[in-house]
Amino acid sequence: EVQLVESGGGLVQPGGSLRLSCAASGFTFSSYWMSWVRQAPGKGLEWVANIKQDGSEKYYVDSVKGRFTISRDNAKNSLYLQMNSLRAEDTAVYYCARGGEEGPLWFDPWGQGTLVTVSS
Amino acid sequence: DIVMTQSPDSLAVSLGERATINCKSSQSVLYSSNNKNYLAWYQQKPGQPPKLLIYWASTRESGVPDRFSGSGSGTDFTLTISSLQAEDVAVYYCQQYYSTPYMYTFGQGTKLEIK
Repeated sequence: EVQLVESGGGLVQPGGSLRLSCAASGFTFSSYWMSWVRQAPGKGLEWVANIKQDGSEKYYVDSVKGRFTISRDNAKNSLYLQMNSLRAEDTAVYYCARGGEEGPLWFDPWGQGTLVTVSS
Repeated sequence: DIVMTQSPDSLAVSLGERATINCKSSQSVLYSSNNKNYLAWYQQKPGQPPKLLIYWASTRESGVPDRFSGSGSGTDFTLTISSLQAEDVAVYYCQQYYSTPYMYTFGQGTKLEIK
């Protein structure tokens, strides 16, 4: 069974940092693009970042460029999101999602998500 | 950036009736070289992550009931539920994956309820 399990969320003060992790299983992790998508409380979905299979290409939504870094460790079947200079507007559930083999394409499946709350 | 706009924002339909959700993109998501529309639909039930329903605008994901169908091309797309069931109450999102570089966008969501 394909499974994605996020961890690392929590309460952080504005300006602080947090590192999210996503453990993948049930598929050949190194063969797929991976992504982070977030959802603010009661709001819609917002794509955050994509990373290619070998980590050579990374893309970010404008609002997190320069603050967030997506990375992966194919040996550990893990995806990461390093979040620095956090703002209140970064408060959201962060989902890890698998993309395609030829490109990020659609997101399937999704993890259950991890909640990040930025507040003083 | 490609902006995705869904309509309506919310919809109430009687059980067994048809539900139709629209999605419009600010520019075409039809890739001429392969004649494919780079659009997906998702269903999100309360407290759950989104679930992929449709990709390439009209290809149903494995395991998705055939009452769900996607149509449209270019900039205008539709998700249709032919006969609404109680378990279809959810928020539905469209998403384009046409952008290069790979910077994707979702519609704002459509909340579907039972009338």
